[in-house]
Amino acid sequence: EVQLLESGGGLVQPGGSLRLSCEASGFTFSTFAMSWVRQAPGKGLEWVSTVSSLGGDTFYEDSVKGRFTISRDNSKNTLHLQMNSLRAEDTAAYFCAKEDTFWLAETSWDFYDSWGQGTLVTVSS
Amino acid sequence: DIQMTQSPSSLSVSVGDTVTITCRASQSISASLNWYQQRPGKAPKLLIYGASFLHSGVPRRFTGRGSGTDFTLTITSLESEDFATYYCQQSYSTLRTFGQGTKVEIK
Repeated sequence: EVQLLESGGGLVQPGGSLRLSCEASGFTFSTFAMSWVRQAPGKGLEWVSTVSSLGGDTFYEDSVKGRFTISRDNSKNTLHLQMNSLRAEDTAAYFCAKEDTFWLAETSWDFYDSWGQGTLVTVSS
Repeated sequence: DIQMTQSPSSLSVSVGDTVTITCRASQSISASLNWYQQRPGKAPKLLIYGASFLHSGVPRRFTGRGSGTDFTLTITSLESEDFATYYCQQSYSTLRTFGQGTKVEIK
């Protein structure tokens, strides 16, 4: 059974830093891209960042680019999100998500088939 | 970035009704469109991928259609467990984006 367990959330002042972690089990972690998706209180889902299976490629939503860094340690089956220069608008539950791919002939589709329970980040003075 | 727009934002329906939610992309995304269900306080769950493929374990009353820029999620014979918020998400671009969500409420 796939399990994703986030940790590291908490209360931080504006301008501060936090490092989120997501411990994965139940699948071959090193063969799947992983993402962070956040949800502000009472709001919708917002994609934050994705890292490729081996960590060589990373992608970021514009508002976090230059402030957040996604990384992974495939030897420890763990995904990280280093968040610096935090702002009030970064307040949200942060979910890690496993990205799978379905192939049909020469076409493929990517989707998030497993999610963690989320960790809450609150940025406030 | 590709913008995803869902409609309606919310709707009130009864058990047994049929519901259709629309998702429109700001540019063609082929069939790279996924649908998720989220119940309050819970993580999202995958329903449909590739616009029309039903994820394992998802009831057949959920149907996804569309390609290009216009997509729909239809839930037939709505059950009480289906009252939740539904999100579309494009995976055409490496910069993934979600729709704003559609809340399905009990009338």
